[in-house]
Amino acid sequence: ELKVEQNPLFLSMQEGKNYTIYCNYSTTSDRLYWYRQDPGKSLESLFVLLSNGAVKQEGRLMASLDTKARLSTLHITAAVHDLSATYFCAVDIPADSWGKLQFGAGTQVVVTP
Amino acid sequence: KAGVTQTPRYLIKTRGQQVTLSCSPISGHRSVSWYQQTPGQGLQFLFEYFSETQRNKGNFPGRFSGRQFSNSRSEMNVSTLELGDSALYLCASSLRQGWPGGYTFGSGTRLTVV
Repeated sequence: ELKVEQNPLFLSMQEGKNYTIYCNYSTTSDRLYWYRQDPGKSLESLFVLLSNGAVKQEGRLMASLDTKARLSTLHITAAVHDLSATYFCAVDIPADSWGKLQFGAGTQVVVTP
Repeated sequence: KAGVTQTPRYLIKTRGQQVTLSCSPISGHRSVSWYQQTPGQGLQFLFEYFSETQRNKGNFPGRFSGRQFSNSRSEMNVSTLELGDSALYLCASSLRQGWPGGYTFGSGTRLTVV
């Protein structure tokens, strides 16, 4: 069974500093997704990574995928308060999952001055 | 372009009752997946429908069921509600597997069982 592990599970960030969230998964896959969730809200899609070496950037967030290491990273540059949220990575398995995403436990991010 | 629409947004039910939740995907999307989110178990996959056919099912009891209509709208039903069914239920729509657009989630239905 596919397992997805995120770390850390909680991240206290200082404004202006850089941080990284890691997402490891247990089975070969080249499709990984990052989502953001604000308290009581739904999941907002951040990045869709569909191949080894994929790198995507949006504002202060950058995500990358290494399918050989089964690792994705979400890098936050110069954190600001607006980035406080829970971040989830999710993986699906080609030809097996039929629309099923396996989510990590989420990383709760709190950004303080 | 309209997003994924879930109704109702909030629901309070009594143990033993049944409930039906609705999800309308993005126009043109034929895949609809359902997830349960709880603080203890996180996000768990319930089932997925594509062109009115259930293609995949998660590890939930038979009290959880779903269906998809010809217009791709989907419903999920939970019978004989238990306190542990209290959760945020999310649906996601997608054009197809491996589509660069990924999966778009609706706002969710928050179900409280009392």
